[in-house]
Amino acid sequence: DGGITQSPKYLFRKEGQNVTLSCEQNLNHDAMYWYRQDPGQGLRLIYYSQIVNDFQKGDIAEGYSVSREKKESFPLTVTSAQKNPTAFYLCASTDRVNQPQHFGDGTRLSIL
Amino acid sequence: DQQVKQNSPSLSVQEGRISILNCDYTNSMFDYFLWYKKYPAEGPTFLISISSIKDKNEDGRFTVFLNKSAKHLSLHIVPSQPGDSAVYFCAASRLISGNMLTFGGGTRLMVKP
Repeated sequence: DGGITQSPKYLFRKEGQNVTLSCEQNLNHDAMYWYRQDPGQGLRLIYYSQIVNDFQKGDIAEGYSVSREKKESFPLTVTSAQKNPTAFYLCASTDRVNQPQHFGDGTRLSIL
Repeated sequence: DQQVKQNSPSLSVQEGRISILNCDYTNSMFDYFLWYKKYPAEGPTFLISISSIKDKNEDGRFTVFLNKSAKHLSLHIVPSQPGDSAVYFCAASRLISGNMLTFGGGTRLMVKP
């Protein structure tokens, strides 16, 4: 079945540590996105990539980094510079601008 | 500055009745609107969309209405079922900008048997 796989489902970070969240899709979609959801709030865009080897900052990119070396993979690194990283992180993809984004099941990141 | 707002954080409806979820936006450049449904600890699932050239789109029990002059859209679910209980997000985008979505804060719908 085609879809988006996010791993791990739960992740814990120590103070000062970088952690990387995985997002893989086998939908052959060109565009991929990372969102953050905080309790009781909507999703906010962190980074997006419309093509391999290219990505752009979203609304809340500070403290995060991404790479897009392969079409199917768009990992997100939460760096130690992100002072409030506890949140639910969602990855999405789409194949063209007039099609809805498909989401993975998310990774919940917590601070130890 | 929230460009997409869902002013009702929660809504409770009896099974079989109509659920109406509302969404307002401020950016008149938005031309594509979507509704997503989300269960806890899962990713949002796409429900229905509408482009700005239409004022209504229907898919089974779900209908989305768009009022561009009021910058308002709504999702109607008829009849409501207990399985519809979830958080509903509206989202908006400018297609020319590459389909980056701006989400509202969500409305929690509870359908009582």
